[in-house]
Amino acid sequence: DIQMTQSPSSMSVSLGDTVTITCRASQDVGIYVNWFQQKPGKSPRRMIYRATNLADGVPSRFSGSRSGSDYSLTISSLESEDVADYHCLQYDEYPYTFGAGTKLELK
Amino acid sequence: AVQLVESGGGLVQPKESLKISCAASGFTFSNAAMYWVRQAPGKGLEWVARIRTKPNNYATYYADSVKGRFTISRDDSKSMVYLQMDNLKTEDTAMYYCTGPSFAYWGQGTLVTVSS
Repeated sequence: DIQMTQSPSSMSVSLGDTVTITCRASQDVGIYVNWFQQKPGKSPRRMIYRATNLADGVPSRFSGSRSGSDYSLTISSLESEDVADYHCLQYDEYPYTFGAGTKLELK
Repeated sequence: AVQLVESGGGLVQPKESLKISCAASGFTFSNAAMYWVRQAPGKGLEWVARIRTKPNNYATYYADSVKGRFTISRDDSKSMVYLQMDNLKTEDTAMYYCTGPSFAYWGQGTLVTVSS
């Protein structure tokens, strides 16, 4: 199975920070990586699809990038509503696999 | 607007069965692959199953942890997707989310608790 190693597992952040979360794929997954945001007690929300594409309605301060097997989600100028858990997903090969998640917390 | 509404969760004993459902609306359901994703309490997301469309012979795919015990199905005439869960284990306790197409939309989830 493809492993998506997500880092960091948690991050203490301040409003206005630029935040980067990374998932490293254990095998080539091409562009087939999504990023999701999840707030406590809520369903996940797709933020980025196919590694770099901003999902509908997602603020432009979110961006996705790829460098080899490393996939990153960057939040520029963090706002309070961005404090949440974030998950990556590879959907190139079965079984699809999620990263372990990153929890953003305010300092 | 797109809506996915799960139902059918509850408390069951180990080795019992349960079937959960998801009602979809607001998009052309028959054209969309659909998925189930679960989340154990306090844990991360786990992909469970996928079902493709009629042109793709309704092909199904499963996580290793549920293969042989869970069955995903769909009824395009009703815009419904189902997850039949047999021989349930305590480790299947989770919130089960219906999602699609392409993980763009998610239901509110239905909680399945497996406990004696």
